[in-house]
Amino acid sequence: AQSVAQPEDQVNVAEGNPLTVKCTYSVSGNPYLFWYVQYPNRGLQFLLKYITGDNLVKGSYGFEAEFNKSQTSFHLKKPSALVSDSALYFCAVSFLGNQGGKLIFGQGTELSVKP
Amino acid sequence: NAGVTQTPKFRVLKTGQSMTLLCAQDMNHEYMYWYRQDPGMGLRLIHYSVGEGTTAKGEVPDGYNVSRLKKQNFLLGLESAAPSQTSVYFCASSLTQNTEAFFGQGTRLTVV
Repeated sequence: AQSVAQPEDQVNVAEGNPLTVKCTYSVSGNPYLFWYVQYPNRGLQFLLKYITGDNLVKGSYGFEAEFNKSQTSFHLKKPSALVSDSALYFCAVSFLGNQGGKLIFGQGTELSVKP
Repeated sequence: NAGVTQTPKFRVLKTGQSMTLLCAQDMNHEYMYWYRQDPGMGLRLIHYSVGEGTTAKGEVPDGYNVSRLKKQNFLLGLESAAPSQTSVYFCASSLTQNTEAFFGQGTRLTVV
């Protein structure tokens, strides 16, 4: 079965430090991977995606993610965290042949950045 | 620049009542989706549509119905609300199968 796992419910980081939010996936075939961010009482906002090509993808607000096929991972990273990065982050996957382009979401990781 | 708009934003229903959630997108997207978000469970797909006049079941379709009579609108109906349907509902749309989805701001539904 297709699935996405975000092993950490919460990640705590000090402002200015690097941050990593982890994501692993299980799909048949080639994955299409996405990261979304959700601020309180808001909808999800797209951050970045991996479809094909360079394994390191850059997205909005200074975030980047690295696709690792052998480890089936797509971790979200940022070199220097900001307090304003505090939010709920979702990893999601789709795949070739997925009728309707349905996204399969992880359970979310709460990122807290302290001053 | 509306994007995806959901109405209403909040609603309280009594068990057994019915209601319809409306989703409208102005981006001419073919694909539209309804998800529900529950704590610790991420987003789960209820129903989706790959074009005007088409609908299909997602992961958790029971107790819900949908219609897509116009390309820009995707309606989610609850015929007889149950407390288990208390959740935050999100509509989303995308241009193609594997492009990023755009989300509405959500509808917080409480069934008492």
